[in-house]
Amino acid sequence: GNSVTQMEGPVTLSEEAFLTINCTYTATGYPSLFWYVQYPGEGLQLLLKATKADDKGSNKGFEATYRKETTSFHLEKGSVQVSDSAVYFCALINTGGFKTIFGAGTRLFVKA
Amino acid sequence: GAGVSQSPSNKVTEKGKDVELRCDPISGHTALYWYRQRLGQGLEFLIYFQGNSAPDKSGLPSDRFSAERTGESVSTLTIQRTQQEDSAVYLCATSRGDHNFFNYGYTFGSGTRLTVV
Repeated sequence: GNSVTQMEGPVTLSEEAFLTINCTYTATGYPSLFWYVQYPGEGLQLLLKATKADDKGSNKGFEATYRKETTSFHLEKGSVQVSDSAVYFCALINTGGFKTIFGAGTRLFVKA
Repeated sequence: GAGVSQSPSNKVTEKGKDVELRCDPISGHTALYWYRQRLGQGLEFLIYFQGNSAPDKSGLPSDRFSAERTGESVSTLTIQRTQQEDSAVYLCATSRGDHNFFNYGYTFGSGTRLTVV
């Protein structure tokens, strides 16, 4: 079956630190991969996406590269800000599917 | 509307009562999803609508849960005889069409926080 595994949180960083949140997936086909972000008290927002192998999704300084050989889609940011504090969800939709499968979420705290 | 609107934003109910949660999708978004998010946990798929038909209800946890949708518009999620384990945030998400979510992902509402006491 399809599944998404992401690193457990919380992750606590100081402002301007480098961020990596690991995400690996299992899928029978060729999924599209997504990162969603949930700020406190809000719904999820699409952060970035990649629809095929070697694609790099990017938005707001965040990046993730679709690595088929390692079935990974790790989220990175070179310099985090306090305003990046949120829960980050890795997700996939498989080819021909309609249902997004979400990881458990990783909470990020950024200290000033 | 401009975004996905969910109401109420918060609901406190007594155990055993019925509740109805509402989702107003973005105009033109034919695909609609309900997810449940328990405290500190990930998203649990409940049901998917394409238009007003529900091809996949496999995520509904029990027969106390039901959902319907009027055309390509409002959807309601009804929980009968609520239990404490139903306490969670219920999220609605919509997308532009049958396969557009593959490329564009979902737009989520802010959710309804349900507390059963």
